[in-house]
Amino acid sequence: AQKVTQAQTEISVVEKEDVTLDCVYETRDTTYYLFWYKQPPSGELVFLIRRNSFDEQNEISGRYSWNFQKSTSSFNFTITASQVVDSAVYFCALSSGSARQLTFGSGTQLTVLP
Amino acid sequence: EAQVTQNPRYLITVTGKKLTVTCSQNMNHEYMSWYRQDPGLGLRQIYYSMNVEVTDKGDVPEGYKVSRKEKRNFPLILESPSPNQTSLYFCASSLLSTKGGNTGELFFGEGSRLTVL
Repeated sequence: AQKVTQAQTEISVVEKEDVTLDCVYETRDTTYYLFWYKQPPSGELVFLIRRNSFDEQNEISGRYSWNFQKSTSSFNFTITASQVVDSAVYFCALSSGSARQLTFGSGTQLTVLP
Repeated sequence: EAQVTQNPRYLITVTGKKLTVTCSQNMNHEYMSWYRQDPGLGLRQIYYSMNVEVTDKGDVPEGYKVSRKEKRNFPLILESPSPNQTSLYFCASSLLSTKGGNTGELFFGEGSRLTVL
């Protein structure tokens, strides 16, 4: 069985602040993939990143960065200098083993205030 | 334009009245899946399909049926809807990886909001 926990239900920050969204996962497989998706107020789901279990290098894409730590089973997502347009629900997800199922966390609602 | 199309986008129905939510993708993806989104629970997988005529249960399959007769279509069928199936439903598709699993880079439809009275 696989599980994803996003303990932060809601986060509110003021524009230009940095914010980190936590994601903790559980799986017995040694090969797995981790993902982040964004769901803006309009409702669609947007793929942000995929990381496989053999690649622990942190990744940066503009204001977004991801910190993958196998030792703590975490895959945290940081937004630097947040903007109002970053307001959304963010989901962390895990696919392991045969990669037939993608399990999502419960999501973190991020609100960036002007 | 690459897309996943769901219909209807909004539906209000009554308990027991069979309904079908259609899903179609134009990207020639092998993998398709249905999720429901409920407050505080995130997205939970209902059914998925690895290819034509190959379907399998996800985490919450009770009360739902699917079929995959063509690669592009993956309809979700509620034979006898109940109020606990009131939810926001998403269809998604992706390519299969070289190892046979889905790549996880899911393309989602816009969602179908279903209310069962």
